[in-house]
Amino acid sequence: QKEVEQNSGPLSVPEGAIASLNCTYSDRVSQSFFWYRQYSGKSPELIMSIYSNGDKEDGRFTAQLNKASQYVSLLIRDSQPSDSATYLCAMNSGYSTLTFGKGTMLLVSP
Amino acid sequence: GAVVSQHPSRVICKSGTSVKIECRSLDFQATTMFWYRQFPKQSLMLMATSNEGSKATYEQGVEKDKFLINHASLTLSTLTVTSAHPEDSSFYICSASLQAGGPGTQYFGPGTRLLVL
Repeated sequence: QKEVEQNSGPLSVPEGAIASLNCTYSDRVSQSFFWYRQYSGKSPELIMSIYSNGDKEDGRFTAQLNKASQYVSLLIRDSQPSDSATYLCAMNSGYSTLTFGKGTMLLVSP
Repeated sequence: GAVVSQHPSRVICKSGTSVKIECRSLDFQATTMFWYRQFPKQSLMLMATSNEGSKATYEQGVEKDKFLINHASLTLSTLTVTSAHPEDSSFYICSASLQAGGPGTQYFGPGTRLLVL
């Protein structure tokens, strides 16, 4: 059974700090990984996708993938109060469906 | 690009009535769309996968006769909640798959909040 594990949090960081969100997965054949941000009462919004080992940077966001250790992480630099949301990790294993983690709540305090 | 819309955004109905929710991909064609449900403070739950021109694939425990899905075109999928009851009150979210965005990439609509009285 494919599983994606995330710490539910909340992860609390002060404004300007680096927020580090982690995710582990069980399916070794997983090919694609995604980070979504979901504000309270809203639908998920795609932030990053990553397909190969290593780092992928997009503005203040960096996704890191380590397939050997089966984890994927998201770093948010210079965290802002507007980054406060639930972050969902998801993986795709070659089919069209995604397996989502339960999400980590991030709280950035001013 | 990759915009998905949903209509209506919010609906209140009486118990026993049917409610139709539309999901549209506005600037791309989506051969596959997905329907999720999310209860307050809980994670996303995939209800069904909808492929254009074929029958939807429902997840275990989701009643296909209660949640009717139609994907008649490459830009439109509909979810009809038949004979809705208060326990069907939830946040219904669709997504559309865009392979050009990378394998497995899904873009979500804004969601429809359903309240059954």
